[in-house]
Amino acid sequence: DIQMTQSPSSLSASVGDRVTITCRASQYINNYLAWYQQKAGRVPKVLIFGASTLQSGVPSRFSGSGSGTDFTLTISSLQPEDVATYYCQTYKNAPLTFGGGTKVEIK
Amino acid sequence: QVQLVQSGAEVKKPGASVKISCRASGYTFTGYHIHWVRQARGQGLEWMGWLAPNSGGTNYAQKFRGRVAMTRDKSFATAYLELGSLTSDDTAIYFCARAKGSGAYNWFDPWGQGTLVTVSS
Repeated sequence: DIQMTQSPSSLSASVGDRVTITCRASQYINNYLAWYQQKAGRVPKVLIFGASTLQSGVPSRFSGSGSGTDFTLTISSLQPEDVATYYCQTYKNAPLTFGGGTKVEIK
Repeated sequence: QVQLVQSGAEVKKPGASVKISCRASGYTFTGYHIHWVRQARGQGLEWMGWLAPNSGGTNYAQKFRGRVAMTRDKSFATAYLELGSLTSDDTAIYFCARAKGSGAYNWFDPWGQGTLVTVSS
């Protein structure tokens, strides 16, 4: 099974800061990677699929990069409404594993 | 719009089974796989398996094999998750989610609103 390792598990940053979250797959997954945002008490929402394609309606301050085993989610200028937990997920094959999550807070 | 609406919260005793529904609307139900994901309180997302609504085919995560069943009723555009031999570790919110494109191996969009299952004696 493919394991997905996210880091950090949590971070605190100031409004306007650039925030980077990383996700590493234990095996090659090409670009079969999605990023989800889950706000407290809410349903997960897809931000990025195909490692770097922004879902329609998602603010352009979010971006994704990487291929193979190493991936990054970047928030170019953190906003208060970005407080959430972010998960990566591979959908290359079963099991469709999620990373452990990164909780983003405002300093 | 594409929407998944799940059944309401459940409280079950240890050893019992639970069956949750996920009703689809706004698209052709048989055209897209349905996945089930759960989340214990304060924990991450755990993939449980997928259902192919057209054929009824399934693929379950190894952890749940033997006590999980994912089924559907095409006439009601509804998918079901049944989980048996419940323990307190199964207390979680259970989500259904649609695979975005055709085939099982796609990202998930949209998600159902979630169903809280509480296992308590």
